[in-house]
Amino acid sequence: NAGVTQTPKFQVLKTGQSMTLQCAQDMNHEYMSWYRQDPGMGLRLIHYSVGAGITDQGEVPNGYNVSRSTTEDFPLRLLSAAPSQTSVYFCASSTTWGQGYEQYFGPGTRLTVT
Amino acid sequence: AQKVTQAQTEISVVEKEDVTLDCVYETRDTTYYLFWYKQPPSGELVFLIRRNSFDEQNEISGRYSWNFQKSTSSFNFTITASQVVDSAVYFCALSPRGMYSGGGADGLTFGKGTHLIIQP
Repeated sequence: NAGVTQTPKFQVLKTGQSMTLQCAQDMNHEYMSWYRQDPGMGLRLIHYSVGAGITDQGEVPNGYNVSRSTTEDFPLRLLSAAPSQTSVYFCASSTTWGQGYEQYFGPGTRLTVT
Repeated sequence: AQKVTQAQTEISVVEKEDVTLDCVYETRDTTYYLFWYKQPPSGELVFLIRRNSFDEQNEISGRYSWNFQKSTSSFNFTITASQVVDSAVYFCALSPRGMYSGGGADGLTFGKGTHLIIQP
């Protein structure tokens, strides 16, 4: 099991560029989510999915899109990058939602927008 | 709305001292889960413990122990005989229990973290 994988590990974008952060898990987990981590802010939920074809917005969804066409993949799209999106992004997955299962986190993607 | 407060931004102790990290939470849910995660300098998030709101028993795992008190909405974490390898940022988190509800509430609510520094 590779667990939760994220690519790329590092990325530098210019303001206005778009890109997709990839997230994949091989544990057949129903629930997947994206968080961003900013200094002194903890982790904040961007988007999440409770299964293929179902996505929802979290606490800070503006400027991001997601889709869940397969159980394994949950990409995060930045539509038009802004300096405020400079952050470390974590993808997480768990067996299902609402039953207290451990969430497994990927290694993170460090994004800088100039 | 849910909220997790970790009032201690940074704690510095000398190796072998005991240290307690505080976590206070707010939720309107009657059933929920509480978690602690560790983030070492390498950056990954490591799961430490999960606690069901039904279970108020304290838990001990080696040098780690957790004190859950529903009456004060606290879930504190104590490291006994701290070691340099314990240096990390520690996050407390909260999630509701139950079926998917939509509306943005179906995720972990994290505290801002406590940076623990263990000096040799």
